[in-house]
Amino acid sequence: RKEVEQDPGPFNVPEGATVAFNCTYSNSASQSFFWYRQDCRKEPKLLMSVYSSGNEDGRFTAQLNRASQYISLLIRDSKLSDSATYLCVAPQAANKLIFGTGTLLAVQP
Amino acid sequence: DAGVIQSPRHEVTEMGQEVTLRCKPISGHDYLFWYRQTMMRGLELLIYFNNNVPIDDSGMPEDRFSAKMPNASFSTLKIQPSEPRDSAVYFCASSFSRANSPLHFGNGTRLTVT
Repeated sequence: RKEVEQDPGPFNVPEGATVAFNCTYSNSASQSFFWYRQDCRKEPKLLMSVYSSGNEDGRFTAQLNRASQYISLLIRDSKLSDSATYLCVAPQAANKLIFGTGTLLAVQP
Repeated sequence: DAGVIQSPRHEVTEMGQEVTLRCKPISGHDYLFWYRQTMMRGLELLIYFNNNVPIDDSGMPEDRFSAKMPNASFSTLKIQPSEPRDSAVYFCASSFSRANSPLHFGNGTRLTVT
């Protein structure tokens, strides 16, 4: 099993839609999780951290399910500018962050 | 804050040549990471340092790859000799050591080996 697994997509959704991505991780001892966004030919940029209690930042909601070892990202009211690759990140060891291969989102007008 | 600075942005070289990639982390960050990104494998962790000391180099693909961090503000990743399959985007990232500290990436070096 890969350490961090994501559905590569692409997810093609219309503007205004709600879309959700899941990501599974293998290390049950992992504590810190993140979602990154990567635009084409750019570096990954932090979108949000994922806390045990879940967290929300505007249209974005991240949740952690420790029992099933997955994290999720929900995007509400999708914008064209949300089109990007979304990478989930989990630690294999303290500060050793492993990235999933990413989920491609394409928001259509 | 200047962010993580990598150079060069692009490198095109011939097979067999030595390639050196450079990175300046964010001032005050004590962790530095080198990642490689390809379409096939995504972002792979090659090596990371804490306080200039290599902690885990298990991701370094072969002996042709080496990395150094002579001081807190500079690191290099060297490939010697380079091969076409080394073509990828190489990212450097840095972070604080406190819990839940995210990574901050540089712009990356796009390496093409012909």
